[in-house]
This record gives sequence, C-alpha cells and structure tokens, in this order.
Amino acid sequence: AQSVTQLDSHVSVSEGTPVLLRCNYSSSYSPSLFWYVQHPNKGLQLLLKYTSAATLVKGINGFEAEFKKSETSFHLTKPSAHMSDAAEYFCVVSEGNSGGYQKVTFGTGTKLQVIP
Amino acid sequence: NAGVTQTPKFRILKIGQSMTLQCTQDMNHNYMYWYRQDPGMGLKLIYYSVGAGITDKGEVPNGYNVSRSTTEDFPLRLELAAPSQTSVYFCASRSTGGAGKYNYEQYFGPGTRLTVT
Repeated sequence: AQSVTQLDSHVSVSEGTPVLLRCNYSSSYSPSLFWYVQHPNKGLQLLLKYTSAATLVKGINGFEAEFKKSETSFHLTKPSAHMSDAAEYFCVVSEGNSGGYQKVTFGTGTKLQVIP
Repeated sequence: NAGVTQTPKFRILKIGQSMTLQCTQDMNHNYMYWYRQDPGMGLKLIYYSVGAGITDKGEVPNGYNVSRSTTEDFPLRLELAAPSQTSVYFCASRSTGGAGKYNYEQYFGPGTRLTVT
C-alpha cells in the first residue's frame, strides 16, 4: 500500500535560518516522489521531483530534497529561509497501480512560517 | 499556454442545489484529475480520467459525477449539494509519459472555493 506521512503539520523558522520539512513514504514499488508548494489561496506548484536518477534533487527557489531508500524518507531542505517561502508544502508519492495507471497520494501538508 | 483553468473561483450553494465546476487544459494532457482540499487533510482524489471517454473513481467519489468528452475539458458535477462538500476543489492534468512512466508531475489549476449552506 502506498502512503505518505509528513511528520510536522507546522514548522516555524527565522528568516535566514535553515528549513527542514520531513516526509516519510511507503510504497510497494519504486516510487516517484514530489514536493509541491501552495501559497495562500493559490494552486499547487511543483518544487522538485525524484525519479530514480540522482538521490539528491535540486528544485526551484533553492530547495532540495534527498531520497533515502533505507529510511523511506524524502525530506525537503533549504539552507536559508526567505519570507517568501512562507506557504504550505505537500509531499507526494506516485506509482503505478494494477490498472496500469498512476496512483498519486498526497501528504497532509506542512505549513511553513518564516519569522522576520 | 494558459495551463489548467478552473471556473468559477468562488461559489456559494444552498443545500440540495446542483452545479458544475469547469476545468480546461490546453497542454494536450491525457490524464486529468479532480481533488478536494480540506484543512489538515491534504488533497483527496475525487475522480480521474486517462483520456477522452474514460473516467474512474478516486478515493472520495460519492456525491460527484464527471464526464470527459474531449481531451481539454473535465467538468465535475455536484447533483445535490451537501454541507460536507464545502471545500476547495482543484483540477490537475499531466502528460501520459508512456507505459510504466509515473514520474510526470501534475499541473494544477487555481482552485474553486465552494461553500454549501
């Protein structure tokens, strides 16, 4: 069975300090993993994706994530938070289902607050 | 490209009313999805479609219907609105990517905020 757990519903950091948003997944196959960002009252935008190539994935706006199969984790990091990073972040796992179609599961989201 | 567009942006319905949420994409994507987003719950899949004429239920399909007569359009129908359907609805689409390819990201519309009172 496929599942995603975002370990923190809220994370608060000071501007200029590192960001860590944690995501653990469960998948029967070799999944693809994504991080999306949602700014208030907006749709979701792709930050980055892991597709079985390099385990360290770089995304937009200075974010990156590392796929660790042994830990079934895909944590999102950024060295230095900016005020514009305040948003909600979703970890997503994708794999094929028995019908040959893509099965996608979203985590429940982590709200990032950046304090000036 | 306009990407994925949704109308309306906001809507208030009375219990028992019906409405259709519109979704259109201009990227020639075969896959399209409808999600609802409730606070603290992430996104739940309502219905999806893998091409014109083909739709299937997602995780939370009760109270909704869909159709896919063209590649571009994927409307979501609420027949008898209930307060439990108060939510933000997102439409998304993605490229097929070929057999065994599940690593293509979804493109999301801006959402429709629906209140049922």
